[in-house]
Amino acid sequence: EPEVTQTPSHQVTQMGQEVILRCVPISNHLYFYWYRQILGQKVEFLVSFYNNEISEKSEIFDDQFSVERPDGSNFTLKIRSTKLEDSAMYFCATRSDFGTSVGKNIQYFGAGTRLSVL
Amino acid sequence: ILNVEQSPQSLHVQEGDSTNFTCSFPSSNFYALHWYRWETAKSPEALFVMTLNGDEKKKGRISATLNTKEGYSYLYIKGSQPEDSATYLCAFPNAGNNRKLIWGLGTSLAVNP
Repeated sequence: EPEVTQTPSHQVTQMGQEVILRCVPISNHLYFYWYRQILGQKVEFLVSFYNNEISEKSEIFDDQFSVERPDGSNFTLKIRSTKLEDSAMYFCATRSDFGTSVGKNIQYFGAGTRLSVL
Repeated sequence: ILNVEQSPQSLHVQEGDSTNFTCSFPSSNFYALHWYRWETAKSPEALFVMTLNGDEKKKGRISATLNTKEGYSYLYIKGSQPEDSATYLCAFPNAGNNRKLIWGLGTSLAVNP
């Protein structure tokens, strides 16, 4: 069964460093998302990406964050200068826009990247 | 601000017990409700996408019901097994093309053998 792959599974970095989190979406999916979960809190939406551009972003997604799909397959989230409060589990999700009204609503998730900022 | 609430936050049951959890969500502008199952170190797995008031869906020993008028959904597990131990999350998509998900905090279920 097709799956969303995220790398690395765990990233440890120093405050102020740049990190890039990578996601390989399911091949025919058109919508891409990043979410994160800070320990003990709700999963929160960061950004969505469609047709090679950001379609929506949350207040969390400030100038320190960026997303791109550089080679048409990988979908990356970059944090330019990490802060302690960026420590969280980051999830990539993808969605097709085909099929039944139920099927095209399902978002498929990767296993996440745990980011630890020291 | 859209808010999704789940209860209880955690649950410990014995193998063979049946259990249920609740998700409450805004009843206005309803589009769909998602249930996900998340085991540590694995991908959150979609269990159900529910769209119609009164809908009831079933997958093995797990079933879910939906009441869009009062804004709640129940998830039931019949005869819990240790492999059911996971966090069960509900999420409410916004109604636009984007369909970003607004999440509850989840119910963490531990099934003791």
